[in-house]
Amino acid sequence: GAGVSQTPSNKVTEKGKYVELRCDPISGHTALYWYRQSLGQGPEFLIYFQGTGAADDSGLPNDRFFAVRPEGSVSTLKIQRTERGDSAVYLCASSFRRADNEQFFGPGTRLTVL
Amino acid sequence: GQQVMQIPQYQHVQEGEDFTTYCNSSTTLSNIQWYKQRPGGHPVFLIQLVKSGEVKKQKRLTFQFGEAKKNSSLHITATQTTDVGTYFCAGSHSGGGADGLTFGKGTHLIIQP
Repeated sequence: GAGVSQTPSNKVTEKGKYVELRCDPISGHTALYWYRQSLGQGPEFLIYFQGTGAADDSGLPNDRFFAVRPEGSVSTLKIQRTERGDSAVYLCASSFRRADNEQFFGPGTRLTVL
Repeated sequence: GQQVMQIPQYQHVQEGEDFTTYCNSSTTLSNIQWYKQRPGGHPVFLIQLVKSGEVKKQKRLTFQFGEAKKNSSLHITATQTTDVGTYFCAGSHSGGGADGLTFGKGTHLIIQP
């Protein structure tokens, strides 16, 4: 009966490196989202999965960002050639079926790019 | 693009006073959700409003959705220290569930005992 989990909780990397952030949604939730939250701001939508497919990736800022959900459960957000501006808390959320049902958020991964 | 504006950005109140935050969308929403985020925590769902003019209450919290489905408000009566946090509205523009939520920047509620 666990909630949404995210690993790692903190990630410090150097500019130019590649990082992967993992999200494990609530069992049975088919909808999964990634958001990015900067200090003092609201969550910013990145990408939404329905099952295994990305139903909406319009929020990804550029082609350095990519996300997968190969088996319709765990998702990985991948960031290539990280930049200092990528530093933020990356939140994952899941919901039951429809995208506009209540979303359950994970604790987030705090990414710091030095 | 789709925008959700939220005011005020910060609100200081004395414990026991009322609090209201307002949310406005540039486009008509299919529904609106409200979330609360405690300092250091993650957003937690409070409520979803779907119908035009809808009003819902949860104890001391009252949520309203405007007739045009472009604005919403959250009102807290007699605030308590446990109400501290940031309140976000989040709008959905697609009834078919084709996109994620657009969040406002939030209203930070600070309560002075």
